[in-house]
Amino acid sequence: GQQLNQSPQSMFIQEGEDVSMNCTSSSIFNTWLWYKQDPGEGPVLLIALYKAGELTSNGRLTAQFGITRKDSFLNISASIPSDVGIYFCAGLWGTDKLIFGTGTRLQVFP
Amino acid sequence: NAGVMQNPRHLVRRRGQEARLRCSPMKGHSHVYWYRQLPEEGLKFMVYLQKENIIDESGMPKERFSAEFPKEGPSILRIQQVVRGDSAAYFCASSGQGLSYNEQFFGPGTRLTVL
Repeated sequence: GQQLNQSPQSMFIQEGEDVSMNCTSSSIFNTWLWYKQDPGEGPVLLIALYKAGELTSNGRLTAQFGITRKDSFLNISASIPSDVGIYFCAGLWGTDKLIFGTGTRLQVFP
Repeated sequence: NAGVMQNPRHLVRRRGQEARLRCSPMKGHSHVYWYRQLPEEGLKFMVYLQKENIIDESGMPKERFSAEFPKEGPSILRIQQVVRGDSAAYFCASSGQGLSYNEQFFGPGTRLTVL
């Protein structure tokens, strides 16, 4: 079946540093979504990408939809303690099913 | 609060009992999705419903699991005769119409523990 691999699996960074994480797939997706999940909570939608090559920003977050439609990356600039959490990419399969990646766990130290 | 609502947040059941999980979509949303998350894993799709219709249940286990989204009231995910392996977090998401159709917004989840 479809599988999304995220890297790195976990990151430990200093407050103020920039962060980059990516997501690759063996299948083509027409929509990519990035979510953040805090412990004990549901995923929160950060950015949605609809077109190959598209670069979209949301505050300190920037995400790109790869040209091949098989990958995406998420950058966080000037990290702050509240950026801590697990970041998931998700590709929309068909018209309704989100396929989630394996997650990148981010830890920010002051 | 206009977000997706789920209840209960935590549910404890003994093996063999039934679990009922409820989800109220965001205001104006008519598409509901259920996902399951095991510890340290990503979410796995279970079922997609619109009002009174199951559209895609390709991720639902063939036995013991059922879902509905009636004309009135919340969507219900029902697990009969629960087993220990059903212990997980169950998330509901909803989406709207038009351009935002592909953007699924998640509720806080129901954490099911089977003793």
